[in-house]
Amino acid sequence: QLQLQESGPGLVKPSETLSLTCTVSGGSISSSSYYWGWIRQPPGKGLEWIGSIYYSGSTYYNPSLKSRVTISVDTSKNQFSLKLSSVTAADTAVYYCARNVITHFDYWGQGTLVTVSS
Amino acid sequence: EIVLTQSPGTLSLSPGERATLSCRASQSVSSSYLAWYQQKPGQAPRLLIYGASSRATGIPDRFSGSGSGTDFTLTISRLEPEDFAVYYCQQYGSSFGGGTKVEIK
Repeated sequence: QLQLQESGPGLVKPSETLSLTCTVSGGSISSSSYYWGWIRQPPGKGLEWIGSIYYSGSTYYNPSLKSRVTISVDTSKNQFSLKLSSVTAADTAVYYCARNVITHFDYWGQGTLVTVSS
Repeated sequence: EIVLTQSPGTLSLSPGERATLSCRASQSVSSSYLAWYQQKPGQAPRLLIYGASSRATGIPDRFSGSGSGTDFTLTISRLEPEDFAVYYCQQYGSSFGGGTKVEIK
């Protein structure tokens, strides 16, 4: 059974860079059939897709976040990562990683809350 | 960028009733690209429907999806207690709708 687990700091200061890693177990991140993505959800609000990456490193991002987002992959560790720069309180959210079957997300991590505060 | 608008924002129904949720796109979306998710408090979203009408693994047949072009519908034929949750549509593995909360009347 495929499992995804987010990890990283739960508190980030304003103007700094948020960094999270998603570890995939029970399957290979190098599968040619899938992308891997990040989605976030501010407290009490809806879902926002951040971006997705293929094992080769090919990425596509939400245009509204593109200038601040970098997603990378480490196939040797079966992990992919998110970096979001110049964060503000508006970036406070639960961040999810998920397997992207191009048109939808079928496996999700449990999510991790990241709070932006000084 | 395609914007998805879900309606109603909240649906108040009783167990056993039929729920009809709408997702409207700002421009035409291929049916292959429309998905629905269920989210309960404190949990990650769960994939219900992909390709507008295909149920994901393990999803009961009381959940069905339909639609094409700019108008898509998620129907829950008879609400079970565990179906009260928030539902989101999504297109092409990217933008999500704002969600519809199905609450107990």
